[in-house]
Amino acid sequence: RKEVEQDPGPFNVPEGATVAFNCTYSNSASQSFFWYRQDCRKEPKLLMSVYSSGNEDGRFTAQLNRASQYISLLIRDSKLSDSATYLCVVNRGSARQLTFGSGTQLTVLP
Amino acid sequence: NAGVTQTPKFRILKIGQSMTLQCAQDMNHNYMYWYRQDPGMGLKLIYYSVGAGITDKGEVPNGYNVSRSTTEDFPLRLELAAPSQTSVYFCASSYSETSGTDTQYFGPGTRLTVL
Repeated sequence: RKEVEQDPGPFNVPEGATVAFNCTYSNSASQSFFWYRQDCRKEPKLLMSVYSSGNEDGRFTAQLNRASQYISLLIRDSKLSDSATYLCVVNRGSARQLTFGSGTQLTVLP
Repeated sequence: NAGVTQTPKFRILKIGQSMTLQCAQDMNHNYMYWYRQDPGMGLKLIYYSVGAGITDKGEVPNGYNVSRSTTEDFPLRLELAAPSQTSVYFCASSYSETSGTDTQYFGPGTRLTVL
């Protein structure tokens, strides 16, 4: 079983749509959780951290369910500029090492 | 701040050649990392360092070496290039005493092709 599993997609959605991505992780000792965004042929960049209480940043909402070892990202009112690959990222609990999922590809269509 | 910088941006090597990928950060981060990303795949950790003079293996260290003589620099060495090392290489850094966060900041990457 992979340490971090994501649906690879691709997700093709129209502008204005709401889209949700899911991710599961296997290491119950993980303490930090993130969503990173990676544009084509670019480096990953932090989109948002994920907290147990859930957190929101504008159109983006992240949720964490520790009992189910499940993380989600919801994007509302999708924009063309949201087209990217979204990486679910979990720490390994030591030396600040992170484990990256393979990513979910999103294309927002005009 | 320049953040994390990497050189070169692109490189083509012949099988058996050697090269060093350079990485530097100016954020006074203690931790630095090297990853490789194959097409359609997630990032895999090659080596990491928790401070100057300290390095350790990640998931896929074979065929690579690193050193960390200063806080700022973390070069990655390929000794005998093989086609399986064709990939995009990302350097990242994280954590300072002031920020205390796991967030990793990435360089722009080096695209390496071994023919």
